[in-house]
Amino acid sequence: KAGVTQTPRYLIKTRGQQVTLSCSPISGHRSVSWYQQTPGQGLQFLFEYFSETQRNKGNFPGRFSGRQFSNSRSEMNVSTLELGDSALYLCASSREGFANTGELFFGEGSRLTVL
Amino acid sequence: TQLLEQSPQFLSIQEGENLTVYCNSSSVFSSLQWYRQEPGEGPVLLVTVVTGGEVKKLKRLTFQFGDARKDSSLHITAAQPGDTGLYLCAGLRSSGSARQLTFGSGTQLTVLP
Repeated sequence: KAGVTQTPRYLIKTRGQQVTLSCSPISGHRSVSWYQQTPGQGLQFLFEYFSETQRNKGNFPGRFSGRQFSNSRSEMNVSTLELGDSALYLCASSREGFANTGELFFGEGSRLTVL
Repeated sequence: TQLLEQSPQFLSIQEGENLTVYCNSSSVFSSLQWYRQEPGEGPVLLVTVVTGGEVKKLKRLTFQFGDARKDSSLHITAAQPGDTGLYLCAGLRSSGSARQLTFGSGTQLTVLP
């Protein structure tokens, strides 16, 4: 079956702009999590959505937000971009969130560069 | 301070050698996962360990969960260039009603032919 699909794969923005990233989970998976990956900080948890509700949230400023639609597709938005927001943004889906052992299936990521 | 410390951070070895990667924490995890990530791609799940002392084998890869469920190791026998990648451990913890998966800092493995 199709894996997790993230769009766009690459994008370049300038400081102050905003960006919206999209994620389509594996069919049947209701949980979508977002992570930010940078060389210095590694994988940092942003938030998790399950059945259109934010269930968990990491320690990121309010400029980072997300939502999930009834078909489980999810979007994340970053407003007022800063240089430090340059990163690989990874979306991961799982069947029932972290209900059991929490296995995640990741997309290929969206590479954001902020100039 | 990272909740999950991985060591070594970088490892470069020759094809055919053995290696071990460690994932340590002071926290107890209900389960621990290992992922491998290749350039330009997202992490791919290799294994999940749940029970303290559990050992799982995946071809030339051997994964062990510590007895106290605070640490884990990944041992690769006779490494091959195809094993090259970023290895990530991730621990699952519960905090109240919330459950969160925390990733280690990763071990970048390069296997030279």
